[in-house]
Order: sequence, then structure tokens, then C-alpha cells
Amino acid sequence: DQQVKQNSPSLSVQEGRISILNCDYTNSMFDYFLWYKKYPAEGPTFLISISSIKDKNEDGRFTVFLNKSAKHLSLHIVPSQPGDSAVYFCAVLVQGAQKLVFGQGTRLTINP
Amino acid sequence: EAGVAQSPRYKIIEKRQSVAFWCNPISGHATLYWYQQILGQGPKLLIQFQNNGVVDDSQLPKDRFSAERLKGVDSTLKIQPAKLEDSAVYLCASRAGGFYNEQFFGPGTRLTVL
Repeated sequence: DQQVKQNSPSLSVQEGRISILNCDYTNSMFDYFLWYKKYPAEGPTFLISISSIKDKNEDGRFTVFLNKSAKHLSLHIVPSQPGDSAVYFCAVLVQGAQKLVFGQGTRLTINP
Repeated sequence: EAGVAQSPRYKIIEKRQSVAFWCNPISGHATLYWYQQILGQGPKLLIQFQNNGVVDDSQLPKDRFSAERLKGVDSTLKIQPAKLEDSAVYLCASRAGGFYNEQFFGPGTRLTVL
């Protein structure tokens, strides 16, 4: 019973173009959503988050969009840079429990 | 500010052996988490501590896994005996108090069970 799904295991994008990573969730009671980035041999690092009362949050080159009716979350990176090559995990915060449930991850490769 | 420290970074053992992992969270962080990340999957929560008390261990295989956080600071995760399917990266994370505060992850321990 996977509550958070990232259906694309990998994505390849040319440097300078837009990268769009997608995530679907099943429980409409989730109220906080996060993206983490992971380089090889390192732990995940927090990237950006969004509350369920918003539909967009922007931080520099990174923008997260939330479509509550579709239970869909996306991360846009523009312009994409080689240093963005990593595995990206979406996660939901379980309300009251302060614990995260992660998706399977999408490996993003930025080609020069 | 020092990050979350974990050791060892890598461990190779044979099945049925025992292994222990250590985590030192960020100073002052009351909440500590252990995750298991199997190759190709996202991190899965094993256990959550608040200070030295267990908040959630619903996904911890208690017949072989144990964890403790003595004095509410460092934590150890033990597997005894290990199975092949325990091969994974074990991640420790910590979080300060307050709602929506982010979790900070350590580099993880990569366990290979042969």
C-alpha cells in the first residue's frame, strides 16, 4: 500500500532546460509536502516544501506545485544545471506524527 | 553546525551475523529517526524517538531489529541475526522541536549481507 508514488524512476534533461518531476499521493488528509535531493553516498537533503493551503511555492530555480484535487505534486527546476543531477524524493508529512513517508525517488540526469 | 554523524559508513557481514550502527544527531535535536533505504526505493521509517522514548516503531521488525537512544542523544540500531534482505542503506535523521521543522539526515551506513 504505497501512499506516495513517483512513477518515473529516471529522467534525463538537457542543461538549461526545465526539469519536471512528478509525485502522486493517495491520502487527502496529508497537509505538508516536501522534496528531498540525494547525491550518491550522502543522506537526503531538504530542498523545498509546500503546505496544503497553497498551490505553489517558489525558491530560486525550484518551484513546487500542488494539485489537491488530483492528489499530485510536481517539482520544476529551471534552468537545469549539471549539479542538479541527483535522486529526488517527494515526501509527505503525516500530520500529528511528525514522520515522513517517501516516494521511490526519481533519478535526474542533466546532460551538458 | 555539525551535521548528523553515522558510523560505520560501510559494513559487510554474512547472514545470521549481528551488526550495530551508531548515530549522533545534531546537538539539541530532540527527535531522532532511523530509516531503511533498499536500493531503488525511498527511505522507510523504522523507528522514531522523542528524547529517549520511542514514539513509533510500527515498522521495525522486532524479532531481529532493536534500537535504543540512551540519555536522549546518541542512538544505536542493531540487527541480530541479519538476513539477506536486510542489505540496504540505514539512514539516521534528527529534527528540532516545533511543527514542520525539517529532518536532517546523516550520510547513512551501507550494509551488505552475504
